[in-house]
Amino acid sequence: NAGVTQTPKFQVLKTGQSMTLQCAQDMNHEYMSWYRQDPGMGLRLIHYSVGAGITDQGEVPNGYNVSRSTTEDFPLRLLSAAPSQTSVYFCASSRNRVRNQPQHFGDGTRLSIL
Amino acid sequence: ELKVEQNPLFLSMQEGKNYTIYCNYSTTSDRLYWYRQDPGKSLESLFVLLSNGAVKQEGRLMASLDTKARLSTLHITAAVHDLSATYFCAVTPSTSGSRLTFGEGTQLTVNP
Repeated sequence: NAGVTQTPKFQVLKTGQSMTLQCAQDMNHEYMSWYRQDPGMGLRLIHYSVGAGITDQGEVPNGYNVSRSTTEDFPLRLLSAAPSQTSVYFCASSRNRVRNQPQHFGDGTRLSIL
Repeated sequence: ELKVEQNPLFLSMQEGKNYTIYCNYSTTSDRLYWYRQDPGKSLESLFVLLSNGAVKQEGRLMASLDTKARLSTLHITAAVHDLSATYFCAVTPSTSGSRLTFGEGTQLTVNP
């Protein structure tokens, strides 16, 4: 089983460039989310979705856009990259409102903004 | 705003010793999760705790939940080097569907 697949695994951008981080899951999960992980700060929620066509902001949404056109895919777009967006980005998925099931995480995308 | 605090943030221990990691959260929650992360890797689910008094055990790790105190513990028994990793607790508030708020993580190093 593929689970949650993130691409690319590594990326270097220049300030002001845009890019899309891809996330796909094959578990038919309704809930998908994006986090960023910075040293000493745990994981912080950027955006999430409870199903196709529905997205909402998390804790740190500024500078990022998302869309959910299918159940499987949840891309994260950086509109104009800034050095403060240098981080490790994780995508996760789960059944929505099913209490006994944890979120499943992808392997992460390591992003550096120069 | 939900706050989740772990302590200690860094823990260095010897093999064979016992220790406990604490996770406090600030609002009513109906579920708490523990995850493990190895350096440069993804997060792996360890435990899901759903009710007051819940206790789960896997090998040398045991997690418990006290919803009245808003406290979860992760107890390590007779630590071995393979347990070296960062451990996160994460909480979903009762009114927030599936949203997770993570603690800062506890970086555990087990020395021979």
